[in-house]
Amino acid sequence: SYVLTQPPSVSVAPGKTARITCGGNNIGSKSVHWYQQKPGQAPVLVIYYDSDRPSGIPERFSGSNSGNTATLTISRVEAGDEADYYCQVWDSSSDHRGVFGGGTKLTVL
Amino acid sequence: EVQLVESGGVVVQPGGSLRLSCAASGFTFDDYTMHWVRQAPGKGLEWVSLISWDGGSTYYADSVKGRFTISRDNSKNSLYLQMNSLRTEDTALYYCAKDVEVGATDGGMDVWGQGTTVTVSS
Repeated sequence: SYVLTQPPSVSVAPGKTARITCGGNNIGSKSVHWYQQKPGQAPVLVIYYDSDRPSGIPERFSGSNSGNTATLTISRVEAGDEADYYCQVWDSSSDHRGVFGGGTKLTVL
Repeated sequence: EVQLVESGGVVVQPGGSLRLSCAASGFTFDDYTMHWVRQAPGKGLEWVSLISWDGGSTYYADSVKGRFTISRDNSKNSLYLQMNSLRTEDTALYYCAKDVEVGATDGGMDVWGQGTTVTVSS
């Protein structure tokens, strides 16, 4: 089965840029979606199809995907960005299944 | 307002059955693929199942295949998850979610409910 690997934690100072990676075998050939989840809340889609932003998501959030790594970039990080972030793809190699990464805890210092 | 509201979560014994429901409002329900995603206490997100807009295609995670059945009633704007042969490892908060794009089965999930809690314990 397809595996997505995320770093457990990333720390960044306010105003700086945070980059959260999502590794997978030839992930560049798949579409990657990213979710933000704050404690006690449902996940929120922040990036879909690698780099599209849903309405209401700040332009500070951007995504890229190439080779074996997809990246969620958060520019000018704010305290309110502190959350868990999950990447997700669809694996259709043998069936059609959703796969989530293990999640990355973003800490704003 | 676009909204999803789950219900049906309870405490159930191992081996038992349960049916979750998700009521949708604020969008054209029968245009979109719908998903169930779960989150065990203190753990990450796990995709469970999806059903296409017309109910013609359904897919399941290996961990629930053969035990869970997803269905929908477009006339009632409702999504369901029938859960049989429940195990302690099925204990989780279960979310329903809507696909971001009309007709797609590989998009992101842009609308989520607040979840319903299923506890499997003797």
